Amino acid sequence: IAGITQAPTSQILAAGRRMTLRCTQDMRHNAMYWYRQDLGLGLRLIHYSNTAGTTGKGEVPDGYSVSRANTDDFPLTLASAVPSQTSVYFCASSDSSAGADTQYFGPGTRLTVL
Amino acid sequence: GQNIDQPTEMTATEGAIVQINCTYQTSGFNGLFWYQQHAGEAPTFLSYNVLDGLEEKGRFSSFLSRSKGYSYLLLKELQMKDSASYLCAVRDSNYQLIWGAGTKLIIKP
Repeated sequence: IAGITQAPTSQILAAGRRMTLRCTQDMRHNAMYWYRQDLGLGLRLIHYSNTAGTTGKGEVPDGYSVSRANTDDFPLTLASAVPSQTSVYFCASSDSSAGADTQYFGPGTRLTVL
Repeated sequence: GQNIDQPTEMTATEGAIVQINCTYQTSGFNGLFWYQQHAGEAPTFLSYNVLDGLEEKGRFSSFLSRSKGYSYLLLKELQMKDSASYLCAVRDSNYQLIWGAGTKLIIKP
């Protein structure tokens, strides 16, 4: 593993189903983030975690949950998917002890909810 | 509310120079980032400004004026591979990134 990986790459999901998007990083970054990207809109923060064991809500957290059991993994769960959750989901991580605290992104998961 | 404004789309010619502007209104300021995003790919980091002035990195430069809430990304000697979306993001008082919708740059031969 080099950097951040996400799985699956893409998924078509029936409305009402539960889905977990996986994110793993090997950079030992303390902070991790989940964003969604929709056409014509900027990246919007769903949830974040500043360190293992802690999580926080971003701009659009409703319908999503996260956990951070360890440094490397930050899964995003949709408990009961709805069509408005159709989007591209990006996971990112950063080393908040570094000056710029630059965020590095995974390749994304394209999710379609029908 | 918090707002990041950038042009939706710009067109430039291979070999030329293009300037992509970004204006922002945020609750606090803790740095401004520019990212490049090719279609279907993840955003990748280009530059970071926290103090006023110009930061140069090869063909790319980024300028910041905190008093004006303004930044620009300058791309020189444009190449076809520079065709991408360019995202401006500001870190606010809560240390969260607020993102613009991005500027799609089209390079023509």
